Amino acid sequence: AQRVTQPEKLLSVFKGAPVELKCNYSYSGSPELFWYVQYSRQRLQLLLRHISRESIKGFTADLNKGETSFHLKKPFAQEEDSAMYYCALSGTGANSKLTFGKGITLSVRP
Amino acid sequence: DTGVSQDPRHKITKRGQNVTFRCDPISEHNRLYWYRQTLGQGPEFLTYFQNEAQLEKSRLLSDRFSAERPKGSFSTLEIQRTEQGDSAMYLCASSSQGAVEQYFGPGTRLTVT
Repeated sequence: AQRVTQPEKLLSVFKGAPVELKCNYSYSGSPELFWYVQYSRQRLQLLLRHISRESIKGFTADLNKGETSFHLKKPFAQEEDSAMYYCALSGTGANSKLTFGKGITLSVRP
Repeated sequence: DTGVSQDPRHKITKRGQNVTFRCDPISEHNRLYWYRQTLGQGPEFLTYFQNEAQLEKSRLLSDRFSAERPKGSFSTLEIQRTEQGDSAMYLCASSSQGAVEQYFGPGTRLTVT
Protein backbone atom coordinates (compact mmCIF):
# COMPACT_ATOMS: atom_id res chain seq x y z
CA ALA A 1 0.00 0.00 0.00
CA GLN A 2 1.18 3.52 -0.67
CA ARG A 3 1.12 5.97 2.19
CA VAL A 4 2.39 9.48 2.91
CA THR A 5 2.88 10.74 6.44
CA GLN A 6 3.21 14.37 7.42
CA PRO A 7 3.68 14.24 11.18
CA GLU A 8 2.95 17.88 11.97
CA LYS A 9 -0.19 19.89 11.29
CA LEU A 10 1.17 23.37 11.85
CA LEU A 11 4.51 25.10 11.70
CA SER A 12 4.76 28.72 12.75
CA VAL A 13 8.00 30.62 12.23
CA PHE A 14 9.20 34.18 12.02
CA LYS A 15 10.20 35.75 8.71
CA GLY A 16 13.80 34.87 7.91
CA ALA A 17 13.81 31.67 9.94
CA PRO A 18 14.62 28.31 8.34
CA VAL A 19 11.77 25.98 7.50
CA GLU A 20 11.64 22.20 7.28
CA LEU A 21 8.38 20.44 6.48
CA LYS A 22 8.63 16.72 7.10
CA CYS A 23 7.33 13.97 4.84
CA ASN A 24 7.80 10.21 5.05
CA TYR A 25 6.41 7.70 2.61
CA SER A 26 5.73 4.02 2.13
CA TYR A 27 5.71 2.48 -1.33
CA SER A 28 6.77 -0.77 -2.93
CA GLY A 29 8.97 0.27 -5.79
CA SER A 30 10.26 3.62 -6.98
CA PRO A 31 7.70 6.36 -6.49
CA GLU A 32 7.55 9.86 -7.79
CA LEU A 33 7.50 12.34 -4.91
CA PHE A 34 5.94 15.80 -4.99
CA TRP A 35 5.20 18.81 -2.86
CA TYR A 36 1.95 20.61 -3.64
CA VAL A 37 1.03 23.99 -2.17
CA GLN A 38 -2.28 25.73 -1.67
CA TYR A 39 -2.24 29.45 -0.98
CA SER A 40 -5.27 31.10 0.55
CA ARG A 41 -8.23 31.10 -1.85
CA GLN A 42 -6.21 29.45 -4.61
CA ARG A 43 -6.22 26.00 -6.11
CA LEU A 44 -3.76 23.26 -5.34
CA GLN A 45 -0.60 23.62 -7.42
CA LEU A 46 2.63 21.74 -7.83
CA LEU A 47 5.57 23.28 -6.00
CA LEU A 48 8.27 20.80 -6.90
CA ARG A 49 8.96 17.15 -7.74
CA HIS A 50 11.93 15.07 -6.71
CA ILE A 51 12.98 14.06 -10.17
CA SER A 52 13.60 17.62 -11.33
CA ARG A 53 15.93 18.37 -8.41
CA GLU A 54 15.32 22.08 -8.78
CA SER A 55 14.70 24.90 -6.34
CA ILE A 56 11.35 26.65 -6.60
CA LYS A 57 10.72 29.87 -4.67
CA GLY A 58 13.78 29.00 -2.58
CA PHE A 59 12.40 25.61 -1.57
CA THR A 60 14.28 22.36 -2.07
CA ALA A 61 13.47 18.76 -1.24
CA ASP A 62 15.80 15.79 -1.30
CA LEU A 63 14.59 12.25 -1.66
CA ASN A 64 16.20 9.98 0.93
CA LYS A 65 15.39 6.43 -0.07
CA GLY A 66 17.08 4.94 2.99
CA GLU A 67 14.88 6.92 5.36
CA THR A 68 11.95 7.01 2.90
CA SER A 69 11.70 10.74 3.42
CA PHE A 70 11.18 13.79 1.22
CA HIS A 71 11.44 16.78 3.53
CA LEU A 72 10.85 20.28 2.16
CA LYS A 73 13.31 22.96 3.21
CA LYS A 74 13.84 26.66 2.85
CA PRO A 75 16.67 28.53 4.54
CA PHE A 76 14.86 31.87 5.00
CA ALA A 77 11.08 31.89 5.18
CA GLN A 78 9.06 34.76 3.70
CA GLU A 79 5.58 35.89 4.67
CA GLU A 80 4.29 34.92 1.23
CA ASP A 81 5.27 31.31 1.96
CA SER A 82 2.34 31.07 4.35
CA ALA A 83 0.14 28.33 2.89
CA MET A 84 -0.96 24.73 3.17
CA TYR A 85 1.66 22.24 1.97
CA TYR A 86 0.96 18.66 0.92
CA CYS A 87 3.46 15.93 0.26
CA ALA A 88 2.30 13.39 -2.34
CA LEU A 89 3.51 10.36 -4.22
CA SER A 90 2.55 8.50 -7.33
CA GLY A 91 3.69 5.36 -9.02
CA THR A 92 4.82 5.23 -12.60
CA GLY A 93 3.03 4.34 -15.79
CA ALA A 94 -0.58 3.34 -15.22
CA ASN A 95 -0.30 3.89 -11.46
CA SER A 96 -0.41 7.64 -11.78
CA LYS A 97 -2.87 8.50 -9.04
CA LEU A 98 -1.58 10.76 -6.29
CA THR A 99 -1.55 9.73 -2.64
CA PHE A 100 -1.40 12.77 -0.38
CA GLY A 101 -0.38 13.35 3.19
CA LYS A 102 -2.70 15.24 5.50
CA GLY A 103 -0.90 18.49 4.88
CA ILE A 104 0.78 21.06 7.07
CA THR A 105 -0.07 24.72 7.54
CA LEU A 106 2.98 26.95 7.37
CA SER A 107 2.52 30.32 9.01
CA VAL A 108 5.29 32.89 8.60
CA ARG A 109 4.99 35.81 10.97
CA PRO A 110 6.49 39.25 10.26
CA ASP B 1 -8.55 30.86 -18.38
CA THR B 2 -7.21 27.65 -19.90
CA GLY B 3 -6.88 25.77 -16.60
CA VAL B 4 -9.08 23.01 -15.22
CA SER B 5 -12.58 24.24 -14.48
CA GLN B 6 -15.28 22.75 -12.27
CA ASP B 7 -18.96 23.48 -11.98
CA PRO B 8 -20.66 24.26 -9.68
CA ARG B 9 -18.22 25.70 -7.17
CA HIS B 10 -20.62 25.15 -4.31
CA LYS B 11 -23.57 22.83 -3.88
CA ILE B 12 -25.91 22.52 -0.93
CA THR B 13 -28.31 19.62 -1.04
CA LYS B 14 -30.57 17.70 1.26
CA ARG B 15 -29.81 14.17 2.32
CA GLY B 16 -31.17 11.69 -0.16
CA GLN B 17 -30.96 13.94 -3.20
CA ASN B 18 -28.78 13.25 -6.24
CA VAL B 19 -26.07 15.67 -7.31
CA THR B 20 -23.85 15.90 -10.39
CA PHE B 21 -20.58 17.76 -10.77
CA ARG B 22 -18.77 18.63 -13.96
CA CYS B 23 -15.06 18.93 -14.70
CA ASP B 24 -13.50 20.40 -17.83
CA PRO B 25 -9.82 19.47 -18.07
CA ILE B 26 -7.08 21.33 -19.89
CA SER B 27 -7.93 20.70 -23.52
CA GLU B 28 -4.92 18.65 -24.60
CA HIS B 29 -4.86 16.49 -21.45
CA ASN B 30 -6.11 12.94 -21.90
CA ARG B 31 -5.97 11.91 -18.24
CA LEU B 32 -8.57 13.13 -15.78
CA TYR B 33 -8.70 12.43 -12.05
CA TRP B 34 -11.28 12.89 -9.30
CA TYR B 35 -10.29 13.35 -5.66
CA ARG B 36 -12.23 14.07 -2.50
CA GLN B 37 -10.97 16.20 0.37
CA THR B 38 -12.53 16.41 3.81
CA LEU B 39 -11.60 18.82 6.56
CA GLY B 40 -8.15 18.25 7.95
CA GLN B 41 -7.23 15.67 5.33
CA GLY B 42 -5.30 15.67 2.11
CA PRO B 43 -7.08 14.88 -1.14
CA GLU B 44 -8.02 11.21 -1.54
CA PHE B 45 -8.12 9.52 -4.92
CA LEU B 46 -11.53 8.45 -6.23
CA THR B 47 -11.11 7.51 -9.87
CA TYR B 48 -9.32 8.34 -13.09
CA PHE B 49 -9.85 8.25 -16.84
CA GLN B 50 -7.53 7.95 -19.75
CA ASN B 51 -9.50 9.37 -22.64
CA GLU B 52 -12.99 7.89 -22.17
CA ALA B 53 -11.82 4.74 -20.36
CA GLN B 54 -12.18 4.60 -16.59
CA LEU B 55 -8.97 2.85 -15.60
CA GLU B 56 -9.10 2.77 -11.83
CA LYS B 57 -11.63 3.26 -9.05
CA SER B 58 -10.93 3.61 -5.36
CA ARG B 59 -12.72 1.60 -2.72
CA LEU B 60 -13.96 5.00 -1.54
CA LEU B 61 -16.16 5.09 -4.63
CA SER B 62 -19.25 3.32 -3.35
CA ASP B 63 -22.03 2.16 -5.65
CA ARG B 64 -23.78 5.49 -5.05
CA PHE B 65 -20.98 7.22 -6.97
CA SER B 66 -20.57 7.10 -10.71
CA ALA B 67 -18.21 8.95 -12.99
CA GLU B 68 -18.24 9.28 -16.75
CA ARG B 69 -16.15 10.82 -19.45
CA PRO B 70 -18.15 9.95 -22.52
CA LYS B 71 -16.15 11.69 -25.24
CA GLY B 72 -12.82 11.83 -23.54
CA SER B 73 -13.19 15.53 -22.81
CA PHE B 74 -15.25 16.73 -19.83
CA SER B 75 -16.22 14.42 -17.00
CA THR B 76 -19.16 14.19 -14.63
CA LEU B 77 -19.28 12.78 -11.12
CA GLU B 78 -22.72 11.83 -9.83
CA ILE B 79 -23.62 10.99 -6.26
CA GLN B 80 -26.96 9.32 -5.73
CA ARG B 81 -28.91 9.37 -2.45
CA THR B 82 -26.45 11.74 -0.81
CA GLU B 83 -25.49 11.24 2.82
CA GLN B 84 -24.06 13.72 5.29
CA GLY B 85 -20.76 11.88 5.08
CA ASP B 86 -20.51 12.88 1.42
CA SER B 87 -19.96 16.51 2.45
CA ALA B 88 -16.50 17.36 1.14
CA MET B 89 -14.54 19.24 -1.49
CA TYR B 90 -14.49 17.33 -4.76
CA LEU B 91 -11.39 18.06 -6.80
CA CYS B 92 -10.70 17.34 -10.43
CA ALA B 93 -7.23 17.22 -11.98
CA SER B 94 -5.87 16.54 -15.43
CA SER B 95 -2.56 15.60 -16.97
CA SER B 96 -1.17 14.58 -20.32
CA GLN B 97 -0.17 10.97 -20.82
CA GLY B 98 3.39 10.37 -19.81
CA ALA B 99 3.52 13.51 -17.69
CA VAL B 100 3.40 13.20 -13.92
CA GLU B 101 2.27 16.70 -13.05
CA GLN B 102 -1.43 16.98 -12.40
CA TYR B 103 -3.20 20.32 -12.71
CA PHE B 104 -6.05 20.86 -10.29
CA GLY B 105 -9.33 22.65 -10.63
CA PRO B 106 -10.79 24.91 -7.95
CA GLY B 107 -13.03 22.17 -6.59
CA THR B 108 -16.73 21.78 -5.89
CA ARG B 109 -17.69 22.09 -2.25
CA LEU B 110 -20.63 19.84 -1.41
CA THR B 111 -22.66 20.31 1.74
CA VAL B 112 -25.30 17.72 2.55
CA THR B 113 -27.84 18.89 5.13
